[in-house]
Amino acid sequence: GAVVSQHPSWVICKSGTSVKIECRSLDFQATTMFWYRQFPKQSLMLMATSNEGSKATYEQGVEKDKFLINHASLTLSTLTVTSAHPEDSSFYICSARDYGSGPTDTQYFGPGTRLTVL
Amino acid sequence: SQQGEEDPQALSIQEGENATMNCSYKTSINNLQWYRQNSGRGLVHLILIRSNEREKHSGRLRVTLDTSKKSSSLLITASRAADTASYFCATRETSGSRLTFGEGTQLTVNP
Repeated sequence: GAVVSQHPSWVICKSGTSVKIECRSLDFQATTMFWYRQFPKQSLMLMATSNEGSKATYEQGVEKDKFLINHASLTLSTLTVTSAHPEDSSFYICSARDYGSGPTDTQYFGPGTRLTVL
Repeated sequence: SQQGEEDPQALSIQEGENATMNCSYKTSINNLQWYRQNSGRGLVHLILIRSNEREKHSGRLRVTLDTSKKSSSLLITASRAADTASYFCATRETSGSRLTFGEGTQLTVNP
C-alpha cells in the first residue's frame, strides 16, 4: 500500500524554540494532507487540513500562528510548532488521502513524531 | 471535535477468544473505518464500511454498521497476542473531508 513518512520520528527541544516536522507521501500524490495530535492514552485530534498550494484549514481551538502548516507540493507538507512550550509536547501524526486510488477513500498515516519540549 | 465514542475503553482477553469493540457516532456519515495503533506508533487501516453496507469481512475481522443507531462494531475472531493494540473507529462525514476518530479501545490479548 501507499506509504507516508514523517521526519523526525522524535525530537526534544528547549522551550521557546521552533520545531519543523515533515510529512511526505512516498508513492502517490496527496492533494490533501491532515495533521493530528495525540496525547498519551487519548485519541487523535485533527488539528488542520492542508491542501496543496493553498492555506490550511484549522480546527476550532488550534492556533494557526503557533502551528504553521505549509503544503508546497503534492508530496510534502510541513508542520512548524513555533515558540514551543512544554504543553505542546505530544505525538504529531500526519495523514494523506490517495485520491488516485479511486473510491477506496483510504487515508494513510505516517508513523508519527514524538515532540518533547523541555 | 471528536464525535465517536467507543466501548469498552479497555478489553483484556485470552488468546483464541473473540474480541468485540463498539463505536457510536453522532452525524451522518459517508463511511466508517477502523484503525489499529500499536503503542507509540502510527495508524494502520484495517477495514472500511460504507454507509449503505451493513456488514463486511476481512480475514479475522468482521465489521457491522447500523446507521439507524449510528453505531458500528468490530469483531476480531480467534485473537492472537499480536492483536494487542489500540483500535479506533473513524467516520468520514458526508458534509466534509475530515476523518473524525473515536476514543479508542485498548485491547490486550494474553498468551
